[in-house]
Amino acid sequence: QVQLQESGPGLVKPSETLSLTCTVSGDSFSSYYWSWIRQPPGKGLEWIGCGHYSGSTNFNASLESRVTISVDTSKNQVSLKLTSVTAADTAMYYCARGQYQLQRWGQGTLVTVSS
Amino acid sequence: EIVLTQSPGTLSLSPGERATLSCRASQSVSSSYLAWYQQKPGQAPRFLIYGASSRATGIPDRFSGSGSGTDFTLTISRLEPEDFAVYYCQHYGSSRLTFGGGTKVEIK
Repeated sequence: QVQLQESGPGLVKPSETLSLTCTVSGDSFSSYYWSWIRQPPGKGLEWIGCGHYSGSTNFNASLESRVTISVDTSKNQVSLKLTSVTAADTAMYYCARGQYQLQRWGQGTLVTVSS
Repeated sequence: EIVLTQSPGTLSLSPGERATLSCRASQSVSSSYLAWYQQKPGQAPRFLIYGASSRATGIPDRFSGSGSGTDFTLTISRLEPEDFAVYYCQHYGSSRLTFGGGTKVEIK
């Protein structure tokens, strides 16, 4: 049974970089794309981007200039970096398996941007 | 950029009733890349439907999807207490995913 677990700081200061890691277990990590999605409190879902072990990545055009997604097959991890954060980046951040649709999701991690 | 508009925003129904949720795309999309998710409070979304009409593994057959072009529908044939939640449609195109704004199905 595939499991995804997000981890990282729950509080980030404005203008700094948000860094999160998703650790995957119980799955063929290299066979899939891995996506990041976020959800501001009380709002809908926003796809951030995805990555594959081959190095292929795709991003939401509105976030592309600030986002890096990297995949580490030795650790079965996919990482997200979002630079120059503001309060608008406060959200629950999820990782999920898939490129065309998101079949499995982690439980998410709440990141608050505040000084 | 394709925009997905879901309606209604909120659907108030009783257990046992039929729920019909709409997802409209701003331009014609491939049904192969249209998916639906369910999200309950405090939980991650759950994958329900892919390819507009195929149920994901373990999804009860009271959930069904249909549609093509710009108009897609998620139908819950008879609402169970655990089905009251928010539902999102999602499309993949041009190497990007987009979500609709969601429909909340609440107990009447």
